[in-house]
Parts: sequence; C-alpha cells; structure tokens
Amino acid sequence: QVQLVESGGGVVQPGGSLRLSCAASGFTFSSYGMHWVRQAPGKGLEWVAFIRYDGSNKYYADSVKGRFTISRDNSKNTLYLQMNSLRAEDTAVYYCAKTTVRLYLDYWGQGTLVTVSS
Amino acid sequence: DIQMTQSPSSLSASVGDRVTITCRASQGISNYLAWYQQKPGKVPKLLIYAASTLQSGVPSRFSGSGSGTDFTLTISSLQPEDVATYYCQKYNSAPFTFGPGTKVDIK
Repeated sequence: QVQLVESGGGVVQPGGSLRLSCAASGFTFSSYGMHWVRQAPGKGLEWVAFIRYDGSNKYYADSVKGRFTISRDNSKNTLYLQMNSLRAEDTAVYYCAKTTVRLYLDYWGQGTLVTVSS
Repeated sequence: DIQMTQSPSSLSASVGDRVTITCRASQGISNYLAWYQQKPGKVPKLLIYAASTLQSGVPSRFSGSGSGTDFTLTISSLQPEDVATYYCQKYNSAPFTFGPGTKVDIK
C-alpha cells in the first residue's frame, strides 16, 4: 500500500532554514509527480510546490517562490522541500502528496509541523 | 492566476439532508477539478476527480458535477461521519490552487 512519511519539521527562528523529507513506498515513486501542500493552524489547504516524476519541471506558489526548493531523489524514493528565509507565516503542517498521471492528489502523508518563531 | 472560490463557507444540516457545495473558478478549467474531504484532525482525502468521477471506496452518496467554471459537490443524504471541511482544487496547470473550504456539520 502507498505510504508517504514526512520528516524534518520542527521549530526554527525567522530567517532560518529547514529541509523536509518525504519517504515514499508502495508504488513506483519515479513514475509520479509529487506535491507539497501546507496548512497553517486553523486555516485551509495551501498548495506549495509540485515536481514532475523525473524532476524536469518544478512549480511554486508565489508565496514561497525564491525561498523554497522542491527536489527528489528517485534512487532513494524520497521527496524534499528545502525552505530558506523562513517567516512566521510559513508556520504550518506540511504534507507531501502523490499525484496520478492527471496531477490530482490521490495519497497524502500524515504531515510534519513547521513552526517559525523566535 | 486562476482563483478558486467556494460557497457557502460553512453549513449546518440535519442527518439525511441533501447538501450542495459550490466551487467556482475565475477562468475555465474544463473538468480538471478535484474535491477533498478533511475530517477534524485528519489528513485530507480525495473524494472526486475529473469533476465527477468518484474515487474508489468513496460512498455513492457523494457526487460531483460541472465543467468550465462552475462545479458542485453533493452529498445526497448527510451522515454523521460526513462532518468535515471540503476543498475543491484545480489541477489543469500550476498553480494548483485550492478553494478556501466549506465546513459541514450536523444540525
């Protein structure tokens, strides 16, 4: 069965950096695009970033463009999100999610909490 | 960028009621529209994709319709386990924007 396990969350000061990981299993990771989606406390879902199955194309929400970088290592079945210049408004639970070939999100991880605070 | 809106933002209905949630895109997105259900404290779950195709395992009381800019999610007979926030999302192209959500609870 499909499993997505995020890690790397924690408390970081404003301006700091953090790298999230998402370990995938139960499917052919190298065949599917992957998303990061976040949810601030008590708020709705916000799409953050998407990477194609082979890493050839990457897309970002305007709110994180230039600060966050999505990447993947298909040999390790792992998705990453490098987050730099973090702000208080980046505080959220970050979910990784698998796409289908049509790019909607069919499986989600449990999420990892990132708190940006001094 | 295409904006996604949902209405209402919240609703309260009785068990057995028919519930309809609307999602609107600011520009046409064909049928590249998905609906997700997020129960309190849980991970979002895919309900419907391609505007009207039910994901495997989702109860048949859920249905979706629409194309272009206007879409609806209908729960034909609301059940207690349907208490959740429902989100629409466009996936025709980036940015893959979510709607703001509709919170559904039991009256």
